Amino acid sequence: NAGVTQTPKFQVLKTGQSMTLQCAQDMNHNSMYWYRQDPGMGLRLIYYSASEGTTDKGEVPNGYNVSRLNKREFSLRLESAAPSQTSVYFCASSTRRAPVGPHQPQHFGDGTRLSIL
Amino acid sequence: QQPVQSPQAVILREGEDAVINCSSSKALYSVHWYRQKHGEAPVFLMILLKGGEQKGHEKISASFNEKKQQSSLYLTASQLSYSGTYFCGTESYRDGNNRKLIWGLGTSLAVNP
Repeated sequence: NAGVTQTPKFQVLKTGQSMTLQCAQDMNHNSMYWYRQDPGMGLRLIYYSASEGTTDKGEVPNGYNVSRLNKREFSLRLESAAPSQTSVYFCASSTRRAPVGPHQPQHFGDGTRLSIL
Repeated sequence: QQPVQSPQAVILREGEDAVINCSSSKALYSVHWYRQKHGEAPVFLMILLKGGEQKGHEKISASFNEKKQQSSLYLTASQLSYSGTYFCGTESYRDGNNRKLIWGLGTSLAVNP
Protein backbone atom coordinates (compact mmCIF):
# COMPACT_ATOMS: atom_id res chain seq x y z
CA ASN A 1 0.00 0.00 0.00
CA ALA A 2 1.98 2.98 -1.29
CA GLY A 3 -0.19 5.83 0.08
CA VAL A 4 1.23 9.16 -1.14
CA THR A 5 4.25 9.00 -3.45
CA GLN A 6 6.40 12.02 -4.21
CA THR A 7 9.10 12.29 -6.84
CA PRO A 8 11.89 13.20 -6.84
CA LYS A 9 13.13 12.81 -3.25
CA PHE A 10 16.03 15.22 -3.73
CA GLN A 11 16.77 17.90 -6.31
CA VAL A 12 19.30 20.66 -6.79
CA LEU A 13 18.45 23.47 -9.18
CA LYS A 14 20.12 26.62 -10.35
CA THR A 15 18.35 29.96 -9.99
CA GLY A 16 15.98 30.50 -12.89
CA GLN A 17 15.53 26.83 -13.76
CA SER A 18 12.09 25.27 -13.77
CA MET A 19 10.91 21.96 -12.47
CA THR A 20 7.79 20.01 -11.57
CA LEU A 21 7.34 18.05 -8.37
CA GLN A 22 5.10 15.04 -8.80
CA CYS A 23 2.63 13.62 -6.29
CA ALA A 24 0.32 10.63 -6.61
CA GLN A 25 -1.99 8.96 -4.10
CA ASP A 26 -3.66 5.57 -4.34
CA MET A 27 -6.24 6.00 -1.57
CA ASN A 28 -9.02 7.48 -3.73
CA HIS A 29 -8.84 10.72 -1.73
CA ASN A 30 -10.69 13.81 -2.85
CA SER A 31 -8.46 16.52 -1.42
CA MET A 32 -4.77 17.01 -2.08
CA TYR A 33 -2.32 19.59 -0.69
CA TRP A 34 1.14 20.98 -1.27
CA TYR A 35 3.10 22.32 1.70
CA ARG A 36 6.56 23.71 2.19
CA GLN A 37 8.42 23.28 5.44
CA ASP A 38 11.29 25.54 6.43
CA PRO A 39 13.25 25.39 9.70
CA GLY A 40 11.30 27.13 12.46
CA MET A 41 8.37 27.90 10.15
CA GLY A 42 6.20 24.83 10.49
CA LEU A 43 4.07 23.72 7.54
CA ARG A 44 2.80 26.35 5.15
CA LEU A 45 0.14 25.59 2.58
CA ILE A 46 1.10 26.49 -0.99
CA TYR A 47 -1.92 25.23 -2.94
CA TYR A 48 -4.65 22.71 -2.42
CA SER A 49 -7.21 20.88 -4.52
CA ALA A 50 -10.58 19.97 -3.07
CA SER A 51 -11.49 17.77 -6.01
CA GLU A 52 -10.38 16.82 -9.48
CA GLY A 53 -10.37 19.90 -11.68
CA THR A 54 -10.25 22.47 -8.87
CA THR A 55 -7.30 24.20 -7.23
CA ASP A 56 -7.03 27.05 -4.74
CA LYS A 57 -4.26 29.17 -3.31
CA GLY A 58 -2.96 28.64 0.17
CA GLU A 59 -0.82 30.90 2.33
CA VAL A 60 2.28 31.10 0.12
CA PRO A 61 1.33 30.54 -3.55
CA ASN A 62 3.64 33.10 -5.20
CA GLY A 63 6.18 31.54 -7.55
CA TYR A 64 4.28 28.25 -7.85
CA ASN A 65 1.64 26.70 -10.07
CA VAL A 66 -0.25 23.45 -9.65
CA SER A 67 -2.19 20.97 -11.76
CA ARG A 68 -4.71 18.42 -10.55
CA LEU A 69 -4.24 16.08 -13.48
CA ASN A 70 -6.78 13.54 -12.26
CA LYS A 71 -8.03 12.28 -8.93
CA ARG A 72 -4.71 10.57 -8.18
CA GLU A 73 -2.17 13.17 -9.24
CA PHE A 74 -1.37 16.70 -8.10
CA SER A 75 1.79 18.37 -9.39
CA LEU A 76 3.62 21.48 -8.24
CA ARG A 77 5.62 23.58 -10.71
CA LEU A 78 8.31 26.12 -10.08
CA GLU A 79 8.54 28.20 -13.25
CA SER A 80 11.68 30.16 -12.36
CA ALA A 81 13.31 28.83 -9.21
CA ALA A 82 14.67 31.26 -6.63
CA PRO A 83 16.94 30.57 -3.64
CA SER A 84 14.02 31.52 -1.34
CA GLN A 85 12.23 28.42 -2.59
CA THR A 86 14.83 26.13 -1.06
CA SER A 87 12.75 23.99 1.25
CA VAL A 88 11.29 20.58 1.94
CA TYR A 89 8.06 20.11 0.01
CA PHE A 90 5.35 17.77 1.23
CA CYS A 91 2.33 16.55 -0.65
CA ALA A 92 -0.65 15.29 1.35
CA SER A 93 -4.10 13.93 0.68
CA SER A 94 -7.30 13.42 2.65
CA THR A 95 -10.84 12.17 2.22
CA ARG A 96 -12.30 15.61 2.88
CA ARG A 97 -15.10 16.72 0.61
CA ALA A 98 -14.87 20.50 0.66
CA PRO A 99 -16.46 22.80 1.48
CA VAL A 100 -18.64 21.10 4.06
CA GLY A 101 -17.36 18.96 6.84
CA PRO A 102 -14.22 19.26 8.92
CA HIS A 103 -10.78 18.60 7.59
CA GLN A 104 -9.95 14.90 7.70
CA PRO A 105 -6.61 13.24 8.57
CA GLN A 106 -3.99 14.13 6.04
CA HIS A 107 -1.64 11.47 4.73
CA PHE A 108 1.76 12.83 3.79
CA GLY A 109 4.32 11.75 1.26
CA ASP A 110 7.99 11.41 2.25
CA GLY A 111 8.83 14.86 0.94
CA THR A 112 11.08 16.39 -1.71
CA ARG A 113 14.22 18.14 -0.50
CA LEU A 114 14.84 20.97 -2.95
CA SER A 115 17.92 23.18 -2.99
CA ILE A 116 18.21 26.17 -5.28
CA LEU A 117 21.65 27.65 -5.80
CA GLN B 1 -3.83 33.54 12.04
CA GLN B 2 -1.39 30.89 13.16
CA PRO B 3 -2.11 28.98 16.40
CA VAL B 4 0.47 29.37 19.15
CA GLN B 5 2.07 26.26 20.59
CA SER B 6 3.76 26.06 23.96
CA PRO B 7 6.27 25.13 25.08
CA GLN B 8 8.57 25.41 22.07
CA ALA B 9 10.67 22.52 23.32
CA VAL B 10 10.64 20.00 26.12
CA ILE B 11 13.08 17.35 27.29
CA LEU B 12 11.83 14.37 29.26
CA ARG B 13 13.19 11.25 30.79
CA GLU B 14 11.50 8.03 29.80
CA GLY B 15 8.37 7.54 31.86
CA GLU B 16 7.73 11.22 32.55
CA ASP B 17 4.62 13.10 31.45
CA ALA B 18 4.28 16.20 29.30
CA VAL B 19 1.59 18.61 28.15
CA ILE B 20 1.70 20.57 24.89
CA ASN B 21 -0.72 23.43 24.37
CA CYS B 22 -2.18 24.95 21.22
CA SER B 23 -4.02 28.27 21.43
CA SER B 24 -5.87 30.30 18.83
CA SER B 25 -7.27 33.81 18.66
CA LYS B 26 -10.19 32.49 16.59
CA ALA B 27 -13.20 30.33 17.47
CA LEU B 28 -12.16 26.84 16.49
CA TYR B 29 -14.07 24.30 14.45
CA SER B 30 -11.50 21.55 14.94
CA VAL B 31 -7.98 20.91 16.19
CA HIS B 32 -5.65 18.36 14.62
CA TRP B 33 -2.49 16.88 16.13
CA TYR B 34 0.43 15.41 14.19
CA ARG B 35 3.87 14.10 15.12
CA GLN B 36 6.92 14.42 12.88
CA LYS B 37 10.14 12.54 13.50
CA HIS B 38 13.36 14.02 12.24
CA GLY B 39 13.69 13.66 8.48
CA GLU B 40 10.29 12.07 8.10
CA ALA B 41 6.79 13.15 7.13
CA PRO B 42 4.19 14.29 9.67
CA VAL B 43 1.95 11.50 10.93
CA PHE B 44 -1.64 12.02 12.04
CA LEU B 45 -2.41 11.49 15.74
CA MET B 46 -5.96 12.71 16.31
CA ILE B 47 -8.69 15.23 15.51
CA LEU B 48 -10.87 16.97 18.09
CA LEU B 49 -14.16 18.34 16.86
CA LYS B 50 -16.29 19.29 19.83
CA GLY B 51 -15.66 21.48 22.81
CA GLY B 52 -14.42 19.50 25.74
CA GLU B 53 -13.85 16.43 23.63
CA GLN B 54 -11.02 14.15 24.60
CA LYS B 55 -9.48 11.54 22.40
CA GLY B 56 -6.69 9.07 22.93
CA HIS B 57 -3.98 7.38 20.92
CA GLU B 58 -1.72 4.91 22.75
CA LYS B 59 -0.81 6.83 25.92
CA ILE B 60 -1.34 10.12 24.16
CA SER B 61 -4.60 11.95 24.69
CA ALA B 62 -5.90 15.42 23.99
CA SER B 63 -8.60 17.81 25.09
CA PHE B 64 -10.31 20.67 23.30
CA ASN B 65 -11.70 23.64 25.19
CA GLU B 66 -13.87 25.66 22.83
CA LYS B 67 -14.39 28.52 25.24
CA LYS B 68 -10.67 29.01 25.73
CA GLN B 69 -10.01 28.34 22.05
CA GLN B 70 -7.28 25.91 22.90
CA SER B 71 -6.30 22.29 22.87
CA SER B 72 -3.84 20.38 25.00
CA LEU B 73 -1.97 17.20 24.11
CA TYR B 74 -1.10 14.91 27.03
CA LEU B 75 1.76 12.45 26.77
CA THR B 76 1.68 10.00 29.65
CA ALA B 77 4.54 7.74 30.72
CA SER B 78 6.59 8.87 27.74
CA GLN B 79 8.50 6.37 25.64
CA LEU B 80 11.61 6.91 23.53
CA SER B 81 9.40 6.57 20.45
CA TYR B 82 7.50 9.72 21.42
CA SER B 83 10.45 11.90 20.48
CA GLY B 84 9.77 14.26 17.60
CA THR B 85 8.06 17.52 16.80
CA TYR B 86 4.36 17.84 17.56
CA PHE B 87 2.24 20.13 15.42
CA CYS B 88 -1.28 21.32 15.95
CA GLY B 89 -3.44 22.41 13.05
CA THR B 90 -6.58 24.45 13.54
CA GLU B 91 -9.72 25.14 11.55
CA SER B 92 -11.64 28.30 12.32
CA TYR B 93 -15.38 28.97 12.08
CA ARG B 94 -14.61 32.46 10.85
CA ASP B 95 -13.34 31.12 7.52
CA GLY B 96 -16.74 29.60 6.73
CA ASN B 97 -16.70 27.21 3.80
CA ASN B 98 -13.18 28.26 2.93
CA ARG B 99 -11.72 26.74 6.08
CA LYS B 100 -8.09 25.81 5.78
CA LEU B 101 -5.95 23.93 8.24
CA ILE B 102 -3.47 26.42 9.74
CA TRP B 103 -0.46 24.91 11.47
CA GLY B 104 1.42 25.95 14.58
CA LEU B 105 5.21 26.17 14.59
CA GLY B 106 5.57 22.91 16.49
CA THR B 107 6.85 21.70 19.85
CA SER B 108 10.06 19.71 19.89
CA LEU B 109 9.94 16.79 22.31
CA ALA B 110 13.00 14.76 23.25
CA VAL B 111 12.65 11.68 25.43
CA ASN B 112 15.90 10.41 26.92
CA PRO B 113 16.58 7.05 28.58
